[in-house]
Amino acid sequence: ELKVEQNPLFLSMQEGKNYTIYCNYSTTSDRLYWYRQDPGKSLESLFVLLSNGAVKQEGRLMASLDTKARLSTLHITAAVHDLSATYFCAVLPMNTGNQFYFGTGTSLTVIP
Amino acid sequence: DSGVTQTPKHLITATGQRVTLRCSPRSGDLSVYWYQQSLDQGLQFLIQYYNGEERAKGNILERFSAQQFPDLHSELNLSSLELGDSALYFCASSARQTYQETQYFGPGTRLLVL
Repeated sequence: ELKVEQNPLFLSMQEGKNYTIYCNYSTTSDRLYWYRQDPGKSLESLFVLLSNGAVKQEGRLMASLDTKARLSTLHITAAVHDLSATYFCAVLPMNTGNQFYFGTGTSLTVIP
Repeated sequence: DSGVTQTPKHLITATGQRVTLRCSPRSGDLSVYWYQQSLDQGLQFLIQYYNGEERAKGNILERFSAQQFPDLHSELNLSSLELGDSALYFCASSARQTYQETQYFGPGTRLLVL
């Protein structure tokens, strides 16, 4: 059974601090996606990572992909309150068409 | 605003009933994806259509079906509803069907089965 595991599940951090969310997956893939979901809202696409070693940055968020380790990270730099949300990773396994598998989500709370 | 619209926003119905959820993709997008989000199962991919044809199938129950019409809007039909079908149903759209693309999500339909 394909697994996509995120940790931590819950993260409370102070403003200004740095932290990393991890996404491990159990299949062969070089296609990894990160999404953000605000409480009661829909999902917003953050990053699309499509090769080993891919790194993308947007503002205080940076995502990377290590396909050999089957690991993606979402690094938060100098957190601000506006980053409080739930973050999901999703993997698209090779040769399965467009069947996406989502992680459990990481609920991030940034405390002023 | 992603440009993807979904109706209705909320739906309350009884077990055994049938409902239809509607999704209009962003202008020009040919692909539509359906997802289910529940406390029990988390986020699950259900099905994808591209330009009217089914392209990928995920964890979609046999009681559920979907289609994409010539004007590119899509409908998700849920029948013989059970309590466990209560969830948020999102649709998303993208320009084509390739995995490189960003998906844009609609606001969702919250379904409550009583």
